[in-house]
Amino acid sequence: GENVEQHPSTLSVQEGDSAVIKCTYSDSASNYFPWYKQELGKGPQLIIDIRSNVGEKKDQRIAVTLNKTAKHFSLHITETQPEDSAVYFCAASIAMYSGGGADGLTFGKGTHLIIQP
Amino acid sequence: AAGVIQSPRHLIKEKRETATLKCYPIPRHDTVYWYQQGPGQDPQFLISFYEKMQSDKGSIPDRFSAQQFSDYHSELNMSSLELGDSALYFCASSLEGGGNTIYFGEGSWLTVV
Repeated sequence: GENVEQHPSTLSVQEGDSAVIKCTYSDSASNYFPWYKQELGKGPQLIIDIRSNVGEKKDQRIAVTLNKTAKHFSLHITETQPEDSAVYFCAASIAMYSGGGADGLTFGKGTHLIIQP
Repeated sequence: AAGVIQSPRHLIKEKRETATLKCYPIPRHDTVYWYQQGPGQDPQFLISFYEKMQSDKGSIPDRFSAQQFSDYHSELNMSSLELGDSALYFCASSLEGGGNTIYFGEGSWLTVV
């Protein structure tokens, strides 16, 4: 089955600096890579996702890059703010575009992002 | 916008008892997933349903079962509860054929004492 590795486990950055979290996956059939932000006691919140037919995607201060050959993808957060402090999870799955099934996500172990004021 | 609704939000059960968690997906979503998250851990995929049929199966114990009903809501039944079942249980939903964008609920806290 799929195995997703995520680094670092903890990341502390100064407010206003950039943060980068990296993940690798093992199953070359995986084609959908979401990133979730989770605050204590709450459900994971989707912040951005990327599909294997795209190499990069950006949404305001957040960007994700995907290298299919190397099987790794990264989350980039620029101009970090205190409210960015949370646990971030990367995940991978095989997405169906025409119905017929629903594979579960395999998550990385999470990165605790701490924004220092 | 409507989100995934889970109930109950908190549940305390004794060992060997049974618990049932309910999940109401986002309107028009036809796919439901269940995940288990222990303290400080990543969510672990348990099981998924698409159009009321089991779609994928992860690390769900044999003591657990789930189903998706005609209105697309889902229930996770957990029997012979063990202390190790204490965790946060998430339901998530997606619209199949939509590329798997998966939205999570706020979770149900299960404590087994």
